[in-house]
Amino acid sequence: DAKTTQPPSMDCAEGRAANLPCNHSTISGNEYVYWYRQIHSQGPQYIIHGLKNNETNEMASLIITEDRKSSTLILPHATLRDTAVYYCIVRVALGGNQFYFGTGTSLTVIP
Amino acid sequence: DAGVTQSPTHLIKTRGQQVTLRCSPISGHKSVSWYQQVLGQGPQFIFQYYEKEERGRGNFPDRFSARQFPNYSSELNVNALLLGDSALYLCASSLGWQNTEAFFGQGTRLTVV
Repeated sequence: DAKTTQPPSMDCAEGRAANLPCNHSTISGNEYVYWYRQIHSQGPQYIIHGLKNNETNEMASLIITEDRKSSTLILPHATLRDTAVYYCIVRVALGGNQFYFGTGTSLTVIP
Repeated sequence: DAGVTQSPTHLIKTRGQQVTLRCSPISGHKSVSWYQQVLGQGPQFIFQYYEKEERGRGNFPDRFSARQFPNYSSELNVNALLLGDSALYLCASSLGWQNTEAFFGQGTRLTVV
């Protein structure tokens, strides 16, 4: 079952950083935080994941608080193509590849 | 390289019928998972297969079944279709059975009338 809480919707101006928060207050020590996004009518797209340390890749940065109870996905320079539903998922490290999606955050990038 | 491919892309079935959906994973990936996404909700996990064995099952009735073939492709079968089975069915492929990112296909849109 989904163990994360995300705001249902957010807006961001094009070219600005989009900061998407996620609460996972019951996360266990062996659970990773994954982020996926889903553009309308397409399959979810992997963005980034992390355990304890902050992570960065070509798409985004993931900031995890020291107590691991929350995290923030940062899209540094949002474009119109970043408009999508963003899902924050916690997953057991040694479990199967079973992702439990919540309802996510619908991000709208405004021109 | 081809991504995850699913067929058909759209399907209309009548209540009570049976349906088979197909998925080909990314080359070299040995795990396939299936998800159901009802309109307005996030995807829900149905099955995971790895090396032709079921490795996980979500909270779905026995009308849902799946299998994985020696070439790692997979089929999802749904019997005795209900109106509530109308959804986008997503297949995800991953290299191993755990702790790796999953790559999703574009899905099969099933409409039950």
